[in-house]
Amino acid sequence: GEDVEQSLFLSVREGDSSVINCTYTDSSSTYLYWYKQEPGAGLQLLTYIFSNMDMKQDQRLTVLLNKKDKHLSLRIADTQTGDSAIYFCAESFAYSGGGADGLTFGKGTHLIIQP
Amino acid sequence: DTAVSQTPKYLVTQMGNDKSIKCEQNLGHDTMYWYKQDSKKFLKIMFSYNNKELIINETVPNRFSPKSPDKAHLNLHINSLELGDSAVYFCASSLKTGNEKLFFGSGTQLSVL
Repeated sequence: GEDVEQSLFLSVREGDSSVINCTYTDSSSTYLYWYKQEPGAGLQLLTYIFSNMDMKQDQRLTVLLNKKDKHLSLRIADTQTGDSAIYFCAESFAYSGGGADGLTFGKGTHLIIQP
Repeated sequence: DTAVSQTPKYLVTQMGNDKSIKCEQNLGHDTMYWYKQDSKKFLKIMFSYNNKELIINETVPNRFSPKSPDKAHLNLHINSLELGDSAVYFCASSLKTGNEKLFFGSGTQLSVL
């Protein structure tokens, strides 16, 4: 099965809040990430949370981490048309040789904004 | 039956050497990518191929040369490796170019000593 799971589609109305959920399996992950992929572009790091935190807020973005349930969520307040993108959840895993962490990605959630 | 597989998972080598990273996808996708993960965890695209044809070539040194023998494979060859090439390289594929979901490989940790 997948190491990181997230729903494939989420449709919200403009101005509402969007909540994208993710479950992961590796409890040793140091960081958990949300990446955003806009149409025709590569992935861009949106935000991340350290594994010993429960919540992180950055302007319209709120990340909630339930480490017990291995559940991560991304809330986007006041969703705008520019938020339309694919959002990837990712967990990190450490290479034994050190250096940059590896990342295991979910398949991505299409966020669709309705006018 | 991994969807996107890349090998090797770890690659440790000396400066000046030439090395290759292989990538294969069994999803029947038309488009494949190479991404480099920098120190800030940002995945920056390097190359994109669609049906064996190069469609994206970001500002990457000429020492990096992708090769796509068929649409299921996209290999990355690196000549004259430098210390700054140390990073994690991710292969990915998508059904077609444009607004499509990317399926990523597990990454190759390249360490240049």
